Amino acid sequence: KQEVTQIPAALSVPEGENLVLNCSFTDSAIYNLQWFRQDPGKGLTSLLLIQSSQREQTSGRLNASLDKSSGRSTLYIAASQPGDSATYLCAVGETGGGNKLTFGTGTQLKVEL
Amino acid sequence: GAVVSQHPSRVICKSGTSVKIECRSLDFQATTMFWYRQFPKQSLMLMATSNEGSKATYEQGVEKDKFLINHASLTLSTLTVTSAHPEDSSFYICSGGQGGNQPQHFGDGTRLSIL
Repeated sequence: KQEVTQIPAALSVPEGENLVLNCSFTDSAIYNLQWFRQDPGKGLTSLLLIQSSQREQTSGRLNASLDKSSGRSTLYIAASQPGDSATYLCAVGETGGGNKLTFGTGTQLKVEL
Repeated sequence: GAVVSQHPSRVICKSGTSVKIECRSLDFQATTMFWYRQFPKQSLMLMATSNEGSKATYEQGVEKDKFLINHASLTLSTLTVTSAHPEDSSFYICSGGQGGNQPQHFGDGTRLSIL
């Protein structure tokens, strides 16, 4: 059974700092990996999706990497802003289409002024 | 981009009530949609896979008679929490996608509170 873990569970940084969120998974036979953002009491916003054949994806200040063989992914946020404060979730898509997701435990990020 | 609409956003009701939650894909067709449950400060746990025109597939430990799923069209899946009790209080979220290399899109969730 796939297990997804995120470290750290919570993180507080000053505005402007670059930061890295970590995600690890136990079964490397994945279809894709997706990073989401969740604001309190809200649904999920998709940030980046990396196919199993890819090593990274970039969108604006966000860069996600994938090392499937070691079961790891990182989300890099450059020049953090208070508006980046949220919970970040990584989710691994199963083989067979990748639509069925196993979620990580989440990292709660707070960017302070 | 693809949008998934979920409602109601919040439900407060008495114990024993059945509650229906709707999940609609607004600009794409979804043969498969997913229902998740999230307890406070925890991650999302997949409850079931909703299949258009056929029975839902439930994850281990999820009571199919308790959580009824209907996926009657390519754009609508419903989750009915039957005879809800306080322990069913949670945040329920649905998702849908176009498959393959397309990301899953999530509804805004339904906060269910059973008194």
